[in-house]
Amino acid sequence: DTAVSQTPKYLVTQMGNDKSIKCEQNLGHDTMYWYKQDSKKFLKIMFSYNNKELIINETVPNRFSPKSPDKAHLNLHINSLELGDSAVYFCASSQDLRTAYEQYFGPGTRLTVT
Amino acid sequence: AQSVTQLDSQVPVFEEAPVELRCNYSSSVSVYLFWYVQYPNQGLQLLLKYLSGSTLVKGINGFEAEFNKSQTSFHLRKPSVHISDTAEYFCAVSESGFQKLVFGTGTRLLVSP
Repeated sequence: DTAVSQTPKYLVTQMGNDKSIKCEQNLGHDTMYWYKQDSKKFLKIMFSYNNKELIINETVPNRFSPKSPDKAHLNLHINSLELGDSAVYFCASSQDLRTAYEQYFGPGTRLTVT
Repeated sequence: AQSVTQLDSQVPVFEEAPVELRCNYSSSVSVYLFWYVQYPNQGLQLLLKYLSGSTLVKGINGFEAEFNKSQTSFHLRKPSVHISDTAEYFCAVSESGFQKLVFGTGTRLLVSP
């Protein structure tokens, strides 16, 4: 059983397009996150949600819009894709905000913008 | 603000040799410290954590780390590495009361026969 899953695993698209990445966790966790890992492996948090409520928004361009239909899902929609958006995007979850230090990561989505 | 420094971007080592991956942090308050491992083409997995108590913590796959408050360090060690330990290792810090992890830039461990 996959704990945190993401789709798609790979995404290749052209500049200017709009795309979405989906994330689901079956751990019963309350809190979910999106991270961006750049080509140098630097991992930076983008957003966190707790019970469908936005908690952290780390100076991410407003072209990025997270959506949490329920606490088991946190999707990431990206408008007007740019070359600099190329990266690996990881979804993660934690039991709740108090245990935000212990996160479970999905396998990642490699986004390539051409 | 909290930050994490991993000075070594890459550490090559021979199989069955010992290894130490260095991690230093800066924070003005008490912290929780973590090591995560990322195998090729996979997400991150928690290797071990320091929350409180004993400064020597043991994790999965034979790894251990020691919290040194005076040196603000949390170095990761393994006495004998295997080829399968080849991966990217990330040190992370979370300040008590804060709701996020801050990661270092990672250290690539390359184990060769």
